[in-house]
Amino acid sequence: EDKVVQSPLSLVVHEGDTVTLNCSYEVTNFRSLLWYKQEKKAPTFLFMLTSSGIEKKSGRLSSILDKKELFSILNITATQTGDSAIYLCAVSGNEKLTFGTGTRLTIIP
Amino acid sequence: DSGVTQTPKHLITATGQRVTLRCSPRSGDLSVYWYQQSLDQGLQFLIQYYNGEERAKGNILERFSAQQFPDLHSELNLSSLELGDSALYFCASSAGTRPSWHQETQYFGPGTRLLVL
Repeated sequence: EDKVVQSPLSLVVHEGDTVTLNCSYEVTNFRSLLWYKQEKKAPTFLFMLTSSGIEKKSGRLSSILDKKELFSILNITATQTGDSAIYLCAVSGNEKLTFGTGTRLTIIP
Repeated sequence: DSGVTQTPKHLITATGQRVTLRCSPRSGDLSVYWYQQSLDQGLQFLIQYYNGEERAKGNILERFSAQQFPDLHSELNLSSLELGDSALYFCASSAGTRPSWHQETQYFGPGTRLLVL
């Protein structure tokens, strides 16, 4: 059975800090890994990663995939209160998308 | 706003009942996906439709069914409802133009919150 594990479950930091969120997976026929940000409503897409070692970057957020060690990290630098959310990692394989339970990030002003 | 719409926003019903959730994908998107998000199980993939046909199936119960219509909107039917079916149900869509849906970004609708009493 496909499995996606995210850590930590919850993280509380001060504004301006840098955080690293982790996602490890066991998926048959891996195709891609995705990161989503979920605030009060629907998840919003952040990144799709398919190749190892290539960093994807969007402003203060960046992510990288290691297909050998089966994990990905999501980095957020200079955090802001608007970054407070649940960050979801999902992996596609076996014709379905499997989500982790998410990391709840809280940024304290 | 992702461009995916879902109705209703909230739904409260009793055990044993049947409900229909509706989703309109982003304009031009051919693929529709349904997800269930509950507190204890996180986000679970239920089913995918592409241009009217079922493409992939996840952890969907036999009491649940879905379809995608010629105008590409989709409906998720939940029957013989149980307390444990209370959850947030998301619909997502993607373009459906890449060779594999794995290569496409899914855009999520705002969800329908279902409460079964």
